[in-house]
Amino acid sequence: EAGVAQSPRYKIIEKRQSVAFWCNPISGHATLYWYQQILGQGPKLLIQFQNNGVVDDSQLPKDRFSAERLKGVDSTLKIQPAKLEDSAVYLCASSSRVTPQETQYFGPGTRLLVL
Amino acid sequence: AQSVTQLGSHVSVSEGALVLLRCNYSSSVPPYLFWYVQYPNQGLQLLLKYTTGATLVKGINGFEAEFKKSETSFHLTKPSAHMSDAAEYFCAVSEAGNNRKLIWGLGTSLAVNP
Repeated sequence: EAGVAQSPRYKIIEKRQSVAFWCNPISGHATLYWYQQILGQGPKLLIQFQNNGVVDDSQLPKDRFSAERLKGVDSTLKIQPAKLEDSAVYLCASSSRVTPQETQYFGPGTRLLVL
Repeated sequence: AQSVTQLGSHVSVSEGALVLLRCNYSSSVPPYLFWYVQYPNQGLQLLLKYTTGATLVKGINGFEAEFKKSETSFHLTKPSAHMSDAAEYFCAVSEAGNNRKLIWGLGTSLAVNP
């Protein structure tokens, strides 16, 4: 079974530029998560989708971050404009159901550096 | 509010020695508890989880953890460390109920010395 795919793996941009990350979850997984992991910290949930609907985006900085999952499969996370503090690893995860005891399966992440 | 504390941001053990990574949580209701491992330049992978039932949980790669409600702990152990165990380990907690998200600890970096 193919795992969670993410691209690109690395991205370097200058502040105020825009950037987009792509995620393709495990086939059949209805729930998709985007996390931000800053160096030395645990993952922080940015947004959670159930199919193509948003379940939780309470920690998403909506003035600059946006995400979509239009057909309920793959997803895109965008930052516009980027700030220095957005330098982090962006992790995508998926699970088969939205229940909190479900295992989340993670992709390899996209490492973003904002200069 | 839920929280997770991992005691020790860096732990170093010798190959063959006991691995003990500590995790304490706060939760107002019985929690779901998880340990994930992150190898360099890779995503997170589930080691083990406690949801209900037996409080001693066995996971992959010889790891196990015990849920102790009275101590609000879920420490991760492995009897004998291997070089390949060097990684970052994260403890996480969630609660029953709709749409309860995972709350993560800051992680513990495990180094294994030859």
